[in-house]
Amino acid sequence: GENVEQHPSTLSVQEGDSAVIKCTYSDSASNYFPWYKQELGKRPQLIIDIRSNVGEKKDQRIAVTLNKTAKHFSLHITETQPEDSAVYFCAASRQNSGYALNFGKGTSLLVTP
Amino acid sequence: NAGVTQTPKFQVLKTGQSMTLQCAQDMNHNSMYWYRQDPGMGLRLIYYSASEGTTDKGEVPNGYNVSRLNKREFSLRLESAAPSQTSVYFCASSEKPSNVLTFGAGSRLTVL
Repeated sequence: GENVEQHPSTLSVQEGDSAVIKCTYSDSASNYFPWYKQELGKRPQLIIDIRSNVGEKKDQRIAVTLNKTAKHFSLHITETQPEDSAVYFCAASRQNSGYALNFGKGTSLLVTP
Repeated sequence: NAGVTQTPKFQVLKTGQSMTLQCAQDMNHNSMYWYRQDPGMGLRLIYYSASEGTTDKGEVPNGYNVSRLNKREFSLRLESAAPSQTSVYFCASSEKPSNVLTFGAGSRLTVL
């Protein structure tokens, strides 16, 4: 099955700096790559996703890039704010699995003022 | 519109006891999922149901059973709870073409 590796496991940045979280996947048939944010004690929520026919997608301060050849994708957060502090999960899936997502182990991001 | 509702929110069991986690969604989604979340382990898929009438094993199905009762409801059963099943359990649902997972609030289970 799909194996998703996520790095780093923890990340601390100063407010205003950028944060980058990287993921690799094993199944070359995977074609859907979402990112979820989970605040402490809350449920995970989608922040951005990308499909395999797109190399990059942006939404305000958040961007995701995908390199299908290398089988890796990354989350970029610019101008970080304290409210960006949370655990971020990458995931991957392929259509014929009914889109059952396989998640990475998560990155705990801390943004200090 | 409640989204995904899980019950109970908290439960303490003794080793060997059984229990069922209930999940219901009101978004008319075809697909439903059960994940467990443990510190440092991320979200691991236990079982999923791509559509009403079908269920499939995920990454960590041992010790669990599921029932897709109807399109709205997907339950997770622990027949003989073990301390290793202490975890936070999340139910989720999704629908094509967006495939965005909508999660429930989670159920914290402790097995003593």
